[in-house]
Amino acid sequence: DIQMTQSPSTLSASVGDRVTITCRASQSISSWLAWYQQKPGKAPKLLIYKASSLESGVPSRFSGSGSGTEFTLTISSLQPDDFATYYCQQFNTYPLTFGGGTKVEIK
Amino acid sequence: QVQLQESGPGLVKPSGTLSLTCVVSGGSISSSNWWSWVRQPPGKGLEWIGEIYHSGTTNYNPSLKSRVTISVDKSKNQFSLKLSSVAAADTAVYYCAREGDNYRSWLDVWGKGTTVTVSS
Repeated sequence: DIQMTQSPSTLSASVGDRVTITCRASQSISSWLAWYQQKPGKAPKLLIYKASSLESGVPSRFSGSGSGTEFTLTISSLQPDDFATYYCQQFNTYPLTFGGGTKVEIK
Repeated sequence: QVQLQESGPGLVKPSGTLSLTCVVSGGSISSSNWWSWVRQPPGKGLEWIGEIYHSGTTNYNPSLKSRVTISVDKSKNQFSLKLSSVAAADTAVYYCAREGDNYRSWLDVWGKGTTVTVSS
């Protein structure tokens, strides 16, 4: 299985901050990566697919970049609604695997 | 817009079989999309269980493959999950989801999830 490692596991930030989350794959996955946001008690919500494509309806403050084994999710200006847990997911190889999550907390 | 809704027993006895159904509304299960099951143990991350196409073709996570069966019922526009020989470690929120692009893809539409507890 391809292991997906996210860092940091927890991030404390303030409204308006620029936030970056990193996801590393144990082997190259080209650009076959997605990012999700999950709030407590809710299903994950797709933000980014194919590493950098913004899902329809997702605010433009979210962006993704990277290829191969290293990827980033950036929130350009953190908003109150963005405090949540974020997961990356690779779809290069079966089984589909997720990172362990990054919780973005209020500083 | 496509919506997904999971249903099934919330409590399953150890060694029993977990059975869940996901009803697809606002679209056809016979579209070009694949359909997945994902689970999340309490306080933990996400684990992909497997996927199915409307033809009945499936792909499973090897870690669960010996215990998992995913099936489709096109007449009811739904797909189902069966997980046998369950143990406490199978306690989780189970989600069904639509894959965004062919097979082995991102998950663009999710159900709300259903909590399954394995306990006697």
